[in-house]
Amino acid sequence: DSGVTQTPKHLITATGQRVTLRCSPRSGDLSVYWYQQSLDQGLQFLIQYYNGEERAKGNILERFSAQQFPDLHSELNLSSLELGDSALYFCASSVGGLPSGNTIYFGEGSWLTVV
Amino acid sequence: QKEVEQDPGPLSVPEGAIVSLNCTYSNSAFQYFMWYRQYSRKGPELLMYTYSSGNKEDGRFTAQVDKSSKYISLFIRDSQPSDSATYLCAMSYSGGTSYGKLTFGQGTILTVHP
Repeated sequence: DSGVTQTPKHLITATGQRVTLRCSPRSGDLSVYWYQQSLDQGLQFLIQYYNGEERAKGNILERFSAQQFPDLHSELNLSSLELGDSALYFCASSVGGLPSGNTIYFGEGSWLTVV
Repeated sequence: QKEVEQDPGPLSVPEGAIVSLNCTYSNSAFQYFMWYRQYSRKGPELLMYTYSSGNKEDGRFTAQVDKSSKYISLFIRDSQPSDSATYLCAMSYSGGTSYGKLTFGQGTILTVHP
């Protein structure tokens, strides 16, 4: 158990819908990262927050947004869902940001299926 | 062309074998190199972390980085069935808007059979 908690573990929804994925980082970790893992694209970085502020952005679609709250938990919002958004979404956390050498701990992931 | 290339395998070896996993990369700005292990439907788990070139050993695992060739390796000695998993290389560099981003390889599926 990495200490990073993600909910829900599984989610099935229809195209065009909106979902919210939630992440609680390890106690004391200030950075939260979101990654998407699909069979064809592999593990792709979406976005990083550090202590409530956006720190780095990857290939995150405009239909997707994220935020980190004062209690440091984070939410990833996915809207106008398409079939191609079906993937495993991981949250990860670390004490600081890279590249300080901090270990990044991944959660178990939220499996999203869009039908 | 992807920034990080990794042979997806699958790789099947007998128990006790030495396993060699490799990644090549194109971005010379990468300075931090990691290997993650991922069991099916689980989150990636950090195995090894290396800064710049050189070797690092941890138990049965040895990570090597050759920045001049843009090539990294992970060796697993005395492989065990419990090592069966997907192994992902990952890299990062400091500064700019990419701070905090890990770039992953596609992952190599490894099976160690008894």
